[in-house]
Amino acid sequence: DTAVSQTPKYLVTQMGNDKSIKCEQNLGHDTMYWYKQDSKKFLKIMFSYNNKELIINETVPNRFSPKSPDKAHLNLHINSLELGDSAVYFCASSQSRPYEQYFGPGTRLTVT
Amino acid sequence: DAKTTQPPSMDCAEGRAANLPCNHSTISGNEYVYWYRQIHSQGPQYIIHGLKNNETNEMASLIITEDRKSSTLILPHATLRDTAVYYCIVRPQPSGSARQLTFGSGTQLTVLP
Repeated sequence: DTAVSQTPKYLVTQMGNDKSIKCEQNLGHDTMYWYKQDSKKFLKIMFSYNNKELIINETVPNRFSPKSPDKAHLNLHINSLELGDSAVYFCASSQSRPYEQYFGPGTRLTVT
Repeated sequence: DAKTTQPPSMDCAEGRAANLPCNHSTISGNEYVYWYRQIHSQGPQYIIHGLKNNETNEMASLIITEDRKSSTLILPHATLRDTAVYYCIVRPQPSGSARQLTFGSGTQLTVLP
């Protein structure tokens, strides 16, 4: 069973489009995260979210928005895609030990 | 948060122990040391964490010096599948909403046949 899954695995789209990446976890965790890994391989937190609060990294453009339909899902919506948004996006989740995070396989986004 | 320093790359022979160092000389008393790894094209994977005592689990051992200014992750019998980037992260136990992990550049460990 996949603990944290993401769809799609690859996403190629044009500048200006709006796209979504889905994330689901079946671990019963209460907190989910989105990370971005750029071409230089640096992993940066974008959001952390539980049913109580959303924490947004201040460097994330407001074109990015997380949406959580329920506790097991945290989707990432991106509006007006730009070339610089090309990266691998990872979803993660955690429970009582927030630094023991379980990561999904990643979604490679390419904006042309 | 305490800053960590890791060598950019290391090699290890298959079957031998891999010892990955991490310097965190500015660590404060309430900060834990966490280790993650990222195998190529996969999401990061939690390995182990500790505060001041040495820790061991099924994946690895973590040795923290008495002054807590450095630590070593030990993979006792490295296999080719252990080839990955290993990240040492120092974080305090969360209070309130502080749950984010901050990844540095890590150490690329290559296990050689």
